[in-house]
Amino acid sequence: NAGVIQTPRHKVTGKGQEATLWCEPISGHSAVFWYRQTIVQGLEFLTYFRNQAPIDDSGMPKERFSAQMPNQSHSTLKIQSTQPQDSAVYLCASSLAGEDTQYFGPGTRLLVL
Amino acid sequence: AQSVTQPDARVTVSEGASLQLRCKYSYFGTPYLFWYVQYPRQGLQLLLKYYPGDPVVQGVNGFEAEFSKSNSSFHLRKASVHWSDWAVYFCAVSIPSGGNYKPTFGKGTSLVVHP
Repeated sequence: NAGVIQTPRHKVTGKGQEATLWCEPISGHSAVFWYRQTIVQGLEFLTYFRNQAPIDDSGMPKERFSAQMPNQSHSTLKIQSTQPQDSAVYLCASSLAGEDTQYFGPGTRLLVL
Repeated sequence: AQSVTQPDARVTVSEGASLQLRCKYSYFGTPYLFWYVQYPRQGLQLLLKYYPGDPVVQGVNGFEAEFSKSNSSFHLRKASVHWSDWAVYFCAVSIPSGGNYKPTFGKGTSLVVHP
């Protein structure tokens, strides 16, 4: 079991460019979560899929951020027109069920210059 | 809706000393409770979890936590801290519904271990 895989591990973009972050959940897990972590704000929930369906996107900024889960094996978080304040570590987690133990990936460290 | 409070943003202890990290939750029923640890430049890892049953839960690396319904608390303890325990610790709560409820995380407590 390789655990939750996130790619890339590091990404540097220029202001205004697009960034796409990938997450491969643990096989058999039905729930996938995205979080953003910064020193100032700490761990922030972004969005949550269960059985590929979006369940809760209450943490997603309404503009520029979108997430998809086209199949059981991966989810993407896309940030359009990146801004310096989007710089953060983006964590993906998966679990057997929504309320169960979450297994986190190592994160993608995004730096927007 | 459930919520979690970790009142201490930072705790400093000496190596070999005992440790307690505090966690208070808000939920009228009996929730599922979790403690996660995050080492530098890594994702969060589960330390231990509580499902309704024995109030004292044993975890990895000598950690344990005790659930108290009367105090709405789930404090994490360790008898003797090691320098490798230097990390950020997160408490989380979720509702045992079998539905789509997601865990809610506290803001984390940064543990600093002095030699």
